[in-house]
Amino acid sequence: NAGVTQTPKFQVLKTGQSMTLQCAQDMNHNSMYWYRQDPGMGLRLIYYSASEGTTDKGEVPNGYNVSRLNKREFSLRLESAAPSQTSVYFCASSDRARRNEQYFGPGTRLTVT
Amino acid sequence: KQEVTQIPAALSVPEGENLVLNCSFTDSAIYNLQWFRQDPGKGLTSLLLIQSSQREQTSGRLNASLDKSSGRSTLYIAASQPGDSATYLCAVNSNSGYALNFGKGTSLLVTP
Repeated sequence: NAGVTQTPKFQVLKTGQSMTLQCAQDMNHNSMYWYRQDPGMGLRLIYYSASEGTTDKGEVPNGYNVSRLNKREFSLRLESAAPSQTSVYFCASSDRARRNEQYFGPGTRLTVT
Repeated sequence: KQEVTQIPAALSVPEGENLVLNCSFTDSAIYNLQWFRQDPGKGLTSLLLIQSSQREQTSGRLNASLDKSSGRSTLYIAASQPGDSATYLCAVNSNSGYALNFGKGTSLLVTP
């Protein structure tokens, strides 16, 4: 039982490049989330998916797109990376029927130069 | 918007001390509140979850309390150890949504 997994662990991009961050969970959770963590700002919600087939914007969605591929997988795409997107990205999952306790992946450390 | 504040931002204590970390939130209409631990360069580990109907939760040397009416939660750590050194994050799940609103954390250092 791996919990929440994220790939890659580290990535360096040049401004304007694109990439997709992958996230998968094996806990049969309905809801999945993408957060970013920046020094002095705490964790902020980018997008979430309350259930398979739905996605909604969070606090800081600009410059990102998401896809809920199936119940297990939720990806985050940067179409044209900017230095302001340098951050640590965390994926999480939860199930409202099970107290909505959120479980986090190990994070992806992204640097945009 | 739910605002979550954690005080103090940093704390240094000698090993063996009991300590309290504070968390306050602005909207009392919460679904639950979670306390997390984060080690440098690592992900978040869930420590305790308190549902809105509960007043406290305990796990080992950790005890978390919740007072919805005053918008406060505390995390009590008994007999602190150097291995407790980490950043502790408080996060609130409001009734109106699924996602968590996080405080900025308390950075704890326990010295031998």
